[in-house]
Amino acid sequence: DIQLTQSPSSLSASVGDRVTITCRATQTISNYLNWYQQKPGKAPKLLIYAASSLQGGVPSRFSGSGSGTEFTLAINSLQPEDFATYYCQHSYSMPLTFGGGTKVEIK
Amino acid sequence: QITLKESGPTLVKPTQTLTLTCTFSGFSLTTSGVGVGWIRQPPGKALEWLALIYWDDDKRYSPRLKSRLTITKDASKNQVVLSMTNMDPVDTGTYYCAHRATFFYGSGSSAGFDFWGQGALVTVSS
Repeated sequence: DIQLTQSPSSLSASVGDRVTITCRATQTISNYLNWYQQKPGKAPKLLIYAASSLQGGVPSRFSGSGSGTEFTLAINSLQPEDFATYYCQHSYSMPLTFGGGTKVEIK
Repeated sequence: QITLKESGPTLVKPTQTLTLTCTFSGFSLTTSGVGVGWIRQPPGKALEWLALIYWDDDKRYSPRLKSRLTITKDASKNQVVLSMTNMDPVDTGTYYCAHRATFFYGSGSSAGFDFWGQGALVTVSS
């Protein structure tokens, strides 16, 4: 199975900050990497697919990059509604797996 | 507009079988490339993929839980059913169903869960 490791597991940031979250895969997954945002008590929301493609309706301050085994989710100018937990997930092969999550908290 | 909703028991006893139904609208499970997946989340923990069923009735399971899981579909009713046997308190959590979409870009394609149900909280306790 392909394991995904996210770092950091949590971070504190202020409104307006630029935040980056890393996701590392235990083997190459090309660009088959998705990012989700989850707020407390809510279902996850797809932000980025294929490592860098923005899902419709997602603000352009979100961006994804990477290929192979290392991927990054960046949030430019963090907004109050961005405080949430973020998960990466690969779709390279079965079984599908999710990363352990990164909680973005208000400083 | 795609919507999904999970339904089933909120409380099950250890060793019992959990049966959850995902009722969806806005898409057809007979359309090529479409799938419905189940993902769960223990309280305060990360997401865990469980199973996926495709439009052509291909079924995939988490290897760790494969012996306990069964996923089926009734395309005419727009429903997908997940069964999990021998429930244990560690299986407590929120169970989500989600629409699996295929994304085409440039010369490639990718897949992801683009629409999710609200989740069903299942507690396993005697």
